[in-house]
Amino acid sequence: GAGVSQSPSNKVTEKGKDVELRCDPISGHTALYWYRQSLGQGLEFLIYFQGNSAPDKSGLPSDRFSAERTGGSVSTLTIQRTQQEDSAVYLCASSLTIGAYEQYFGPGTRLTVT
Amino acid sequence: QKEVEQDPGPLSVPEGAIVSLNCTYSNSAFQYFMWYRQYSRKGPELLMYTYSSGNKEDGRFTAQVDKSSKYISLFIRDSQPSDSATYLCAMSARGSTLGRLYFGRGTQLTVWP
Repeated sequence: GAGVSQSPSNKVTEKGKDVELRCDPISGHTALYWYRQSLGQGLEFLIYFQGNSAPDKSGLPSDRFSAERTGGSVSTLTIQRTQQEDSAVYLCASSLTIGAYEQYFGPGTRLTVT
Repeated sequence: QKEVEQDPGPLSVPEGAIVSLNCTYSNSAFQYFMWYRQYSRKGPELLMYTYSSGNKEDGRFTAQVDKSSKYISLFIRDSQPSDSATYLCAMSARGSTLGRLYFGRGTQLTVWP
């Protein structure tokens, strides 16, 4: 069956530009999560959605980062005025419900800010 | 201090060896403990899950949790070259952070034939 998909797989952008990253969760999964993985670092939690609402946005590193989810399905993570320190792999995961221990991850979007 | 500490390695072992991977944590509210495996250029996939303290075995893999010491382990028996990957420990708690996983940095493992 289809897993979590993310697009684009790679994105190179110039410092100061805005980028949008997309995540398609597994059909029927109500919970969706965004993480960031920097070189040599573990996964850093950014935000999660239960349905279309985001109860916990505390992981977003600055107000340049925002995310939304529509129709209880697709989510987009937007980074405005990108900085070089934003370069990382952005991973999306989904789970059947919030609190389900198994989160299914997509392959990630590798973002490089030049 | 990060809430979850994990030695990044790298760890290199011969095929057939027993591998021990470990994490320590500081938040006593953690109740759910997971090990994820991540191959290069892929997303992590769940390998093992344990609730609270105790042991859990699945084939060649054994997960141990010692909540009194805030220490978790993953053992891989009869390691294979296909086990070469990065292993990430992850934890979660009930309450306000429900659904949020806290990850270690990951340990890079290479099993050579």
